[in-house]
Amino acid sequence: GQQVMQIPQYQHVQEGEDFTTYCNSSTTLSNIQWYKQRPGGHPVFLIQLVKSGEVKKQKRLTFQFGEAKKNSSLHITATQTTDVGTYFCAGRGSGNTGKLIFGQGTTLQVKP
Amino acid sequence: DVKVTQSSRYLVKRTGEKVFLECVQDMDHENMFWYRQDPGLGLRLIYFSYDVKMKEKGDIPEGYSVSREKKERFSLILESASTNQTSMYLCASSTRTGFNSPLHFGNGTRLTVT
Repeated sequence: GQQVMQIPQYQHVQEGEDFTTYCNSSTTLSNIQWYKQRPGGHPVFLIQLVKSGEVKKQKRLTFQFGEAKKNSSLHITATQTTDVGTYFCAGRGSGNTGKLIFGQGTTLQVKP
Repeated sequence: DVKVTQSSRYLVKRTGEKVFLECVQDMDHENMFWYRQDPGLGLRLIYFSYDVKMKEKGDIPEGYSVSREKKERFSLILESASTNQTSMYLCASSTRTGFNSPLHFGNGTRLTVT
């Protein structure tokens, strides 16, 4: 079945350093969504990417969707302590059953 | 703003008990979902529903059932709780539009089965 792998599982950075998490699917995706879960909170939708090679930015966050629509990345420039949390990618298969398959998540710790 | 409310934040049950987890959303969303979240495994889909009285199995439905008698309410039932069902349970809802709509999650129920 469809699988979505996300790496790394954990990342510790010094405040001000950059951070990247990567998401890879075993099959072609129709779209990919990114969510952020703060410690003790629930996942909150950040963004959706649909087109091959798409790049979207939200302030210091840059999201990319691969040309083959099988991988994606989230890059944070100059991390801040408010960036702490777990970032999940979630891919929807090209068959479009309506189900999202979540990656395992990357937990980001930022040292002030 | 969409609100998804889960009835309990923390729950402790004994092995063999029947457990009901309730979820209510207030935005007239057609789709509702139940996920469980475990460290290192991400969110795994248990069951989902596209309409009242309709349900479909997700990736890990064994040991669970669901009920959707009203559009705003989606219940997850553990028929006979087991220790391996100790987990964080997250309910979510979304609109039907194009299957591309984002999920809105509740705050989660942390279930411990002893």
